[in-house]
Amino acid sequence: DAKTTQPPSMDCAEGRAANLPCNHSTISGNEYVYWYRQIHSQGPQYIIHGLKNNETNEMASLIITEDRKSSTLILPHATLRDTAVYYCIVKKTGTYKYIFGTGTRLKVLA
Amino acid sequence: GAVVSQHPSRVICKSGTSVKIECRSLDFQATTMFWYRQFPKKSLMLMATSNEGSKATYEQGVEKDKFLINHASLTLSTLTVTSAHPEDSSFYICSATDREDQPQHFGDGTRLSIL
Repeated sequence: DAKTTQPPSMDCAEGRAANLPCNHSTISGNEYVYWYRQIHSQGPQYIIHGLKNNETNEMASLIITEDRKSSTLILPHATLRDTAVYYCIVKKTGTYKYIFGTGTRLKVLA
Repeated sequence: GAVVSQHPSRVICKSGTSVKIECRSLDFQATTMFWYRQFPKKSLMLMATSNEGSKATYEQGVEKDKFLINHASLTLSTLTVTSAHPEDSSFYICSATDREDQPQHFGDGTRLSIL
């Protein structure tokens, strides 16, 4: 069973920040949070991951709450090409398996 | 970044034929590869995990004789859908990683249509 809960869909205006929430209230201390996105008819693309500290890379920022029960993926300046389904995944250290939830379908509007 | 190539991207064939899908890691050695299946507007479902040189581990409900997986080298895994039928039509996606603490990198998927 997926260990994450995400809103099914969100809209964001082009050029604005897109904030995608993820609830993982049963997360354990040794479980990482991974974010991927899937553009229509393609394989998922890795975005970012973290354990407890906030992380930033060239694509996005990941904000994890202090209790680690939720996180937010931030795309700072959304473009039309960011329209995709975004998946938040919790993975236990020492294991390989990803369990995909239903994700959030983000639509960036011109 | 790490690149995973999947081939073919699309295949259409008659019921009863077997179809082989290849997954290659182009710039890293993939000690572990994964095969997923995705139905329209649904999420990815893990089918099996394969480690180079050993038998694949299948998820519950996935028929190992139907979906044959071979991971003979550190850069190549294959999925063969044997005696395919229309209900096997789906989007099949592979991923690969070289370490458990590194992200999986996904191929672009194979859309299989069985007539």
